[in-house]
Amino acid sequence: QQQVKQSPQSLIVQKGGISIINCAYENTAFDYFPWYQQFPGKGPALLIAIRPDVSEKKEGRFTISFNKSAKQFSLHIMDSQPGDSATYFCAASTDSWGKLQFGAGTQVVVTP
Amino acid sequence: DVKVTQSSRYLVKRTGEKVFLECVQDMDHENMFWYRQDPGLGLRLIYFSYDVKMKEKGDIPEGYSVSREKKERFSLILESASTNQTSMYLCASSLSLAEISYEQYFGPGTRLTVT
Repeated sequence: QQQVKQSPQSLIVQKGGISIINCAYENTAFDYFPWYQQFPGKGPALLIAIRPDVSEKKEGRFTISFNKSAKQFSLHIMDSQPGDSATYFCAASTDSWGKLQFGAGTQVVVTP
Repeated sequence: DVKVTQSSRYLVKRTGEKVFLECVQDMDHENMFWYRQDPGLGLRLIYFSYDVKMKEKGDIPEGYSVSREKKERFSLILESASTNQTSMYLCASSLSLAEISYEQYFGPGTRLTVT
């Protein structure tokens, strides 16, 4: 079974709106939580990542919110643009090799 | 820029064939990974390697093996392809220094169809 549960499976948002994707985990040993972005025909690429010693990290229009007690983290895409249309994966890691457990993915479509 | 290349973008094989998927990275990364990507399941780790000739099983190694004879090259082998191995296969690489970065760099993927 998946160690990282991601929702929703898909999301349609209007240009300028906010996209929110949520992930939950059970393994309290996870210590690194990245988000990857994948465009059609491409491999995933790291978008933004957070460690559990902070509750929020922002890079441009992308923000990770992290709730350690609830074992949840989320990605917020502010002022969503059509170019943000992609599949987003949350992930978590617990070992020194950086092996990642991925969520199932969320397909985001931003309409003009 | 880190570049991870995979030998084929699309591959069609018959049931029972031995299949080789090749991956090459040009950034002298120690770690290399093979995933399969299926709709609704995300990316699942098949095998990874942290050094030449070293390998570790991931979450779904059954029916697969790997080879890493050179640092830059990591091969995934399907010993006897079956239809349930029809999938997108992604290779990735990363530095070994976890305290600096866990970032994995992915190739474009190989879409394998087994008929």
